[in-house]
Amino acid sequence: NAGVTQTPKFQVLKTGQSMTLQCAQDMNHEYMSWYRQDPGMGLRLIHYSVGAGITDQGEVPNGYNVSRSTTEDFPLRLLSAAPSQTSVYFCASSDSRDHLDTQYFGPGTRLTVL
Amino acid sequence: QQQVKQSPQSLIVQKGGISIINCAYENTAFDYFPWYQQFPGKGPALLIAIRPDVSEKKEGRFTISFNKSAKQFSLHIMDSQPGDSATYFCAANINDYKLSFGAGTTVTVRA
Repeated sequence: NAGVTQTPKFQVLKTGQSMTLQCAQDMNHEYMSWYRQDPGMGLRLIHYSVGAGITDQGEVPNGYNVSRSTTEDFPLRLLSAAPSQTSVYFCASSDSRDHLDTQYFGPGTRLTVL
Repeated sequence: QQQVKQSPQSLIVQKGGISIINCAYENTAFDYFPWYQQFPGKGPALLIAIRPDVSEKKEGRFTISFNKSAKQFSLHIMDSQPGDSATYFCAANINDYKLSFGAGTTVTVRA
């Protein structure tokens, strides 16, 4: 049981490039989400999904796309990277529709946009 | 605009001392208040959580105190150990999955 996995661990992009951050979980969790972590700002929700085929926007969705074709995977796409997207990105998953359930976080992807 | 305000930004405590981190919120609809612990290079992990119908919850050396009327809650780390050195985040949500996080507190425990 690997939990929540994220790839890559580190990535450097040039402004305007696109890329996909991968997230997978093997706990059969319905709920998955993406956060970005910036110094002095805590974690901010980008997008989330309550099940396969269902996604919705969080607090800071601009510049990011998501899709959820399977229960296990929830990739985050940067369409045209900007320096403001330099951050550490965390994927999380949770077991059920009860918001009291623990959210399990992956190890993060550190992204630098030049 | 953060919905949960956390202080202090950082603190240093001697081994065996007490670490106290405070959080305040405005939205009275919040009904779940978890604390997350994050070590360098790792993702956050749930440490302890509380519902607003409880004024205090204790798990080992970690205690959450909750003051509903003041809209404040705090984390106390008793008998702080070097292994407790980490960043701590308070958070809150309202009957959904969207956690609102505080800015984080970096705790350093000196041996």
